Order: sequence, then C-alpha cells, then structure tokens
Amino acid sequence: DIQVTQYPSSLSASLGDRVTITCRASQNINDNVAWFQQKPGKAPKSLISAASSLQSGVPSRFSGSGSGTDFTLTISSLQPEDFATYYCQQYNRPPLTFGGGTKVEIK
Amino acid sequence: EVQLVESGGAVVQPGGSLRISCAASGFSFKDYAMHWVRQAPGKGLEWVSLISRDSSITYYKDSVKGRFTISRDNSKDSLYLQMNSLRTEDTAFYYCLREYYGQYHWGQGTLVTVSS
Repeated sequence: DIQVTQYPSSLSASLGDRVTITCRASQNINDNVAWFQQKPGKAPKSLISAASSLQSGVPSRFSGSGSGTDFTLTISSLQPEDFATYYCQQYNRPPLTFGGGTKVEIK
Repeated sequence: EVQLVESGGAVVQPGGSLRISCAASGFSFKDYAMHWVRQAPGKGLEWVSLISRDSSITYYKDSVKGRFTISRDNSKDSLYLQMNSLRTEDTAFYYCLREYYGQYHWGQGTLVTVSS
C-alpha cells in the first residue's frame, strides 16, 4: 500500500499569511493527488485534483503543486474562512490513502 | 445541482449487520465511479471502498475485506454498503463520494455506531 505522510499536523497563522502544507508519498504517484478542506461538523470539500487543478468555485488563493512523491498545498493569503483541517489523498491506485490532516488555526 | 444523500446509519451491536445507502441526483449516476470514505469521531479520513461505473470492479480497505460489500443500482441512482460482522472500530461517519479522475463530490455523511 502507498503511505502518505502529511505535515505539519497543525499550524498557527495570521490573516494574510502564506501557508504551505506538504504531503509525501512512499512511492511515485505521478500527479494523482487530491486536496480537501474540512470544517468542524461538516463534510469535506474538494479543493484540488491532479495535484494542481483547482476545483470549480475554489478561490484562486489556493494552489497545488508537485509530482512524483512530493506535493504541496499553498494558501497565498489566509482568510478567516480558511481556518479548517486540510487533507491530501493519493488516488494513483487502490487502496486510496489519505494524509493524517493539517489543522490550520488562528495565531 | 449534484446531490449525494446518505441514509441508514444507526446504532448496532458488535457482530451485527447494517446496510447504508446513498441516493444520487443532479447528474448521470451511471457515468461515475463511486466511493465510501469514513471518519471516526475526532479522527482523520479513511477510504473504505470503491466501485466502477458498471460494478465490474470493486476494491476494499484490507480491514473491511470479507465483511463489507459495496454495490450500486444504476436504475435507481443509488449506492450501497452492506456491512457485516461489525466491530467497535467501524464506528464512524460514512461518506458517499462521486469521483471523476480525482475530482470528488461528497455527501453529508451518515453515522454508524457499533456499541453494546
């Protein structure tokens, strides 16, 4: 199975900060990575597919990059509605696997 | 508007069975692969199973193989997860997902609690 390591597990940031979250896969997964945002008590929401393709309706301050084993999610300027938990997922082949999540909190 | 509505969550005793469902609307259900993902309270996301558009291919997480069965009825725009021999560690919110080349749409989830 492909392991996905996500870090940091939590971070504190201020409004307007640039935030970067990283995921590392245990083997080459090409660009088969998705990113999700989850707010407390709510279902996750899809942000990015294919490592860097923004889903419809997702603000342009979100971006994704990477290929192979190393991937990043960047929020260019943190907004109040961005405080949430973020997850990466590899879908290169089953079993699909998620990173452990990154909780983004207010500093 | 794409909608996925899960139902059937309940409190079940260890060793028991439960079938949860997902009703799809707002899109051509038969054209999409579908997944179940779960999340134990306060924990991270865990992929459970997927089924291809025509049900010819299914995959499962190792810990549910032989106990859970994913199925779909394209004539009813519905996805199912039959869960047998339930364990306390199966307690979670279960989400239904539509997938197209890594683009996902999530349902709101249904809570399955396995407890005596």
